[in-house]
Amino acid sequence: KNEVEQSPQNLTAQEGEFITINCSYSVGISALHWLQQHPGGGIVSLFMLSSGKKKHGRLIATINIQEKHSSLHITASHPRDSAVYICAVRVRYGGATNKLIFGTGTLLAVQP
Amino acid sequence: GAVVSQHPSWVICKSGTSVKIECRSLDFQATTMFWYRQFPKQSLMLMATSNEGSKATYEQGVEKDKFLINHASLTLSTLTVTSAHPEDSSFYICSASTLLADGRSSYNEQFFGPGTRLTVL
Repeated sequence: KNEVEQSPQNLTAQEGEFITINCSYSVGISALHWLQQHPGGGIVSLFMLSSGKKKHGRLIATINIQEKHSSLHITASHPRDSAVYICAVRVRYGGATNKLIFGTGTLLAVQP
Repeated sequence: GAVVSQHPSWVICKSGTSVKIECRSLDFQATTMFWYRQFPKQSLMLMATSNEGSKATYEQGVEKDKFLINHASLTLSTLTVTSAHPEDSSFYICSASTLLADGRSSYNEQFFGPGTRLTVL
């Protein structure tokens, strides 16, 4: 079993729909990241969470530390939101260094 | 915001040759740099962690003699794929970590490079 699980693996939505992507993890973490990877491959960090909720534009990320679960929501989805969304958890590694463990990603396609 | 560049963005080489990939933090000093590999339709896998001036720490299963990492300065790390073979064809991504502060606490944040696509013929 992967230490970081995402669902769904693939998601197709119509423009304007509200989208939720889920992430569950089984290890102790110091923070959780939501990343966006476009078809060209470049990765953009959307959020880093250690508790509660963060909002940036149409994106909202929440985390429940007790349940080891996080969600990424996209409101009023748009075709330009089409990308792979990756959940990554930060774990302590070799003293002070942190490393990220990545989920397998959710491929989102928003159709006009 | 913090910018990380990689060079080249793509490279095609013959089997047996060596390829060097550069990762630079353009507007900040990175305490640590990470190298990842991503195969098609798979997630990123950490290959090694690199701190400036010290030897890289490699993940289990990653050959340190095949994937040479040099971290010469706080803004530059290089990954050299030696004697590349077709199975080394992959998307290689680096990230650079630095300490940020949000007024209440400090934390390490990772910024990702755009990736390098390596194709070995």
